[in-house]
Amino acid sequence: GQQVMQIPQYQHVQEGEDFTTYCNSSTTLSNIQWYKQRPGGHPVFLIQLVKSGEVKKQKRLTFQFGEAKKNSSLHITATQTTDVGTYFCAGPDSWGKFQFGAGTQVVVTP
Amino acid sequence: GAGVSQSPRYKVAKRGQDVALRCDPISGHVSLFWYQQALGQGPEFLTYFQNEAQLDKSGLPSDRFFAERPEGSVSTLKIQRTQQEDSAVYLCASSLVGVRSTDTQYFGPGTRLTVL
Repeated sequence: GQQVMQIPQYQHVQEGEDFTTYCNSSTTLSNIQWYKQRPGGHPVFLIQLVKSGEVKKQKRLTFQFGEAKKNSSLHITATQTTDVGTYFCAGPDSWGKFQFGAGTQVVVTP
Repeated sequence: GAGVSQSPRYKVAKRGQDVALRCDPISGHVSLFWYQQALGQGPEFLTYFQNEAQLDKSGLPSDRFFAERPEGSVSTLKIQRTQQEDSAVYLCASSLVGVRSTDTQYFGPGTRLTVL
């Protein structure tokens, strides 16, 4: 079945630095969604990408959908302590159910 | 309502007990999903309702798990004869339309179940 993988599993960043986290699917996706889960919280929807090669920005966050629609990335610039949390990507399988990756846990050092 | 609510937020059960977890979706949302999230993992799909119809229950791990949404709004996830491996956070999400669309899912705060 479809697998959604995220790397890295953990990301330690110094405040002010940039980093990128990656999401890879074993199958082509019709769309991909990104969520953020703060420690002790629940997943909160960030963005959805639908088109091949699509790039969307939300302030310091840049999301990209690969040309083959099998991978995606999230790039955060000038990391802040408010960026702490786990970032999940999710893509629908052939039945329409969303498969979540295991997430990238981001820790920010002041 | 303002968002998806779940109750209880925390549940401790002795092994073998039955538990019932409640989800109140956003008013007017057609679709409702249940997920199980183990520590350090992403949410794993359990089951999906469109209104009162349970269209997909392929993710339910065993026949001890049962979900219902009798009037197409509130949903209950019931786990019978709980086992230690059932310990997890159970998340409920709702969306306006359906799973085959590109609709956004809104998650509730989850119920953290601990089975002793």
